[in-house]
Amino acid sequence: EAEVAQSPRYKITEKSQAVAFWCDPISGHATLYWYRQILGQGPELLVQFQDESVVDDSQLPKDRFSAERLKGVDSTLKIQPAELGDSAMYLCASSSALAGGPYEQYFGPGTRLTVT
Amino acid sequence: DAKTTQPTSMDCAEGRAANLPCNHSTISGNEYVYWYRQIHSQGPQYIIHGLKNNETNEMASLIITEDRKSSTLILPHATLRDTAVYYCIVRGWGKFQFGAGTQVVVTP
Repeated sequence: EAEVAQSPRYKITEKSQAVAFWCDPISGHATLYWYRQILGQGPELLVQFQDESVVDDSQLPKDRFSAERLKGVDSTLKIQPAELGDSAMYLCASSSALAGGPYEQYFGPGTRLTVT
Repeated sequence: DAKTTQPTSMDCAEGRAANLPCNHSTISGNEYVYWYRQIHSQGPQYIIHGLKNNETNEMASLIITEDRKSSTLILPHATLRDTAVYYCIVRGWGKFQFGAGTQVVVTP
């Protein structure tokens, strides 16, 4: 069964350092999502891509976070500089949906970030 | 998209049916009800979704009331591996908005 791949699974970094996460969606899935999940809360959408285009980044802290999906396949989420409050699980998901309607999202295992 | 209300936690005995309630009193006509679950330290997993008819798949059943203001996810024979946080989400054309979900603990 196809899966969403993420790396690294765990990352410890010091505050003010840069950190990057990578996601490879299920093959053929045009839509890719990055979520942040703080301990004890549900995932919160940071950014949504349709192919290589950003369709929603309203919750992305753009002063320090950036995301790209250059060839419309895999994606990178970067934080620079990291702050203590960025400690969370970063989840990537993908779907085959183009717009609206009912669809399933498939999530990767996530990257657990700890900022010290 | 409509908000949902779920109990914070619930316990279930192994082998028994687990009935997980969700209230979504402000749901509108084009919004679907979705259920996901998240086992500890893993990404969320899709379970089922429905509009107004009851739905069943290999994982669970979804019962939606006639007025669509609430729904129940049924795990017919809970196992220890069903221990997880279960999220009920109502979504139309917008993004998925996860609440805190229900922590379900299945006990032997």
